Amino acid sequence: SYVLTQPPSVSVAPGQTARITCGGNNIGSKSVHWYQQKPGQAPVLVVYDDNDRPSGIPERFSGSNSGNTATLTISRVEAGDEADYYCQVWISGSDHLYVFGTGTKVTVL
Amino acid sequence: QITLKESGPTLVKPTQTLTLTCTFSGFSLSTSGLGVGWIRQPPGKALEWLALIYWNDDKRYSPSLKNRLTISKDTSKNQVFLTMTNMDPVDSATYYCAHRRGYCISDRCYEYNWFDSWGQGTLVTVSS
Repeated sequence: SYVLTQPPSVSVAPGQTARITCGGNNIGSKSVHWYQQKPGQAPVLVVYDDNDRPSGIPERFSGSNSGNTATLTISRVEAGDEADYYCQVWISGSDHLYVFGTGTKVTVL
Repeated sequence: QITLKESGPTLVKPTQTLTLTCTFSGFSLSTSGLGVGWIRQPPGKALEWLALIYWNDDKRYSPSLKNRLTISKDTSKNQVFLTMTNMDPVDSATYYCAHRRGYCISDRCYEYNWFDSWGQGTLVTVSS
């Protein structure tokens, strides 16, 4: 099965840049999507197709994907960005699987 | 505006069968290309995809749970259902349904394989 590995936690000071990685075998050949989940709330899509943003998501959220690592970058971090973040890919083929990463807790210091 | 809402029992006993309902608005599952999925999250743990049903009634399941899951839909009522058999305490989780976008032109379909709208989730506890 395909595994997506994320660091358990990332800490960042307000105004700085947070980078959250998502590791997977040849993940650069797949499209990666990112979700933000605040405590007690449902996940919210913040980046899709590696580096596109849904309407209403600030430009501070961006993504990249190459080789075996995809990265979600949050620029000019704000207190409201504190949340859990999950990457996700779709595995084509007969099974059509949706795979989520292990999740990263972003703490704003 | 797309909205989804999960409903079902909050407490089930071990070995029982769980049935959850996702009631949605803002789209129709008779529209080519669309899908609705189920995802769960045990307390303090990561998201886990369970199943997805497509507009054409095609269905996909997580390989690890395939033998226990059934997804179905009632297009006329804008509802999607998930049944999970032989429930165990490790199945205690918040269960979410979510919308997956897509469209078809002639014989070709374009699928957006991410979940752009989620329900609020429903917490299910498995305990005797």
